[in-house]
Amino acid sequence: QKEVEQDPGPLSVPEGAIVSLNCTYSNSAFQYFMWYRQYSRKGPELLMYTYSSGNKEDGRFTAQVDKSSKYISLFIRDSQPSDSATYLCATGGFKTIFGAGTRLFVKA
Amino acid sequence: ETGVTQSPTHLIKTRGQQVTLRCSSQSGHNTVSWYQQALGQGPQFIFQYYREEENGRGNFPPRFSGLQFPNYSSELNVNALELDDSALYLCASSFGDSSTDTQYFGPGTRLTVL
Repeated sequence: QKEVEQDPGPLSVPEGAIVSLNCTYSNSAFQYFMWYRQYSRKGPELLMYTYSSGNKEDGRFTAQVDKSSKYISLFIRDSQPSDSATYLCATGGFKTIFGAGTRLFVKA
Repeated sequence: ETGVTQSPTHLIKTRGQQVTLRCSSQSGHNTVSWYQQALGQGPQFIFQYYREEENGRGNFPPRFSGLQFPNYSSELNVNALELDDSALYLCASSFGDSSTDTQYFGPGTRLTVL
């Protein structure tokens, strides 16, 4: 079992849709959770991070962690074509452990 | 403030050769981590350097080695290249060696092994 599981997609939505991206993780000791966005031919960039359970909102983006079910979510409201990218969830203790990434396409 | 830079952008090598990839960390950052990202996969942690010392290693064989210099730039060396080493190699710098320290990634070096 991988430490972080993420559906690779691809996920295709129309512009303006609400997007839900999800991951599960296996180690209950993980406390710090991150979402990265990676455009084609670029390195990942940190979008949001959360510590322990709960929600965190930043503009159109909301990150959610449910430690009881070991479930991590990222919601994107009013999705835009510029949101088309690969979204990577990540967690870990000393070393950062990434999911496989979900490719998102937002159609104009 | 300059971001993380990596060189070269692309590289083609043949099996059995050796390769050196370079990374310049963001100004003020003392920690560099290297990752391997195979096509369609997330980055996998290779190792981390903190103030010129290796500070942790992922599940990669010893033929993957590295260095960090006094200016905190870094090199990744891979000996005896194998076909499966073909991937995007990412360098990330941070101020601090904890996973809670924000890592800033470079654009990566695309290595192809033939």
